Amino acid sequence: AQTVTQSQPEMSVQEAETVTLSCTYDTSENNYYLFWYKQPPSRQMILVIRQEAYKQQNATENRFSVNFQKAAKSFSLKISDSQLGDTAMYFCAFMNAGNTPLVFGKGTRLSVIA
Amino acid sequence: DTGVSQDPRHKITKRGQNVTFRCDPISEHNRLYWYRQTLGQGPEFLTYFQNEAQLEKSRLLSDRFSAERPKGSFSTLEIQRTEQGDSAMYLCASNYDYNEQFFGPGTRLTVL
Repeated sequence: AQTVTQSQPEMSVQEAETVTLSCTYDTSENNYYLFWYKQPPSRQMILVIRQEAYKQQNATENRFSVNFQKAAKSFSLKISDSQLGDTAMYFCAFMNAGNTPLVFGKGTRLSVIA
Repeated sequence: DTGVSQDPRHKITKRGQNVTFRCDPISEHNRLYWYRQTLGQGPEFLTYFQNEAQLEKSRLLSDRFSAERPKGSFSTLEIQRTEQGDSAMYLCASNYDYNEQFFGPGTRLTVL
């Protein structure tokens, strides 16, 4: 069974600074997808960024980018120019290539401080 | 269609009562998922459907839980004889094949 580990329960960052959230996972699959989801306080989960395991190039979405290390089974999220609206729980998630349900980590609570 | 919707948003019930939640996915999505999220944890998979067929159930889904998706449209999740341990946020998500899952706002269940 796949597992996803987020080792940082809470993090904080100053507005406009850069922060990196860590995620490691365990799988015996070769083809899979990785995701970062954001869950703001009392609001619904939204997708931040996705990475296909067969792609060597790291995904980027505006201020959000990932560092995908397939051999190390590591998938970190970097948020540049942090904004107050980035305050949220961030979940790392895994999905195998068969489009099975997502496996989530326990989350990292990020606070952006003015 | 503005997204995945769930009803009710909040439900308070007494232990032993039955409750039913509804999820309306994005209309063209063929897959629908139910997850449960407890405080301080990530969502955990419960069950999912492709069209009207229930493809997989988690071991978390005890005999007291049942889910349906008649006609491959909306889905219902029923919990019979609720227990305090059932208190959680119940999330619904939908997608089409290999695309991202879109989540609803969730139903927060409190069992007294």
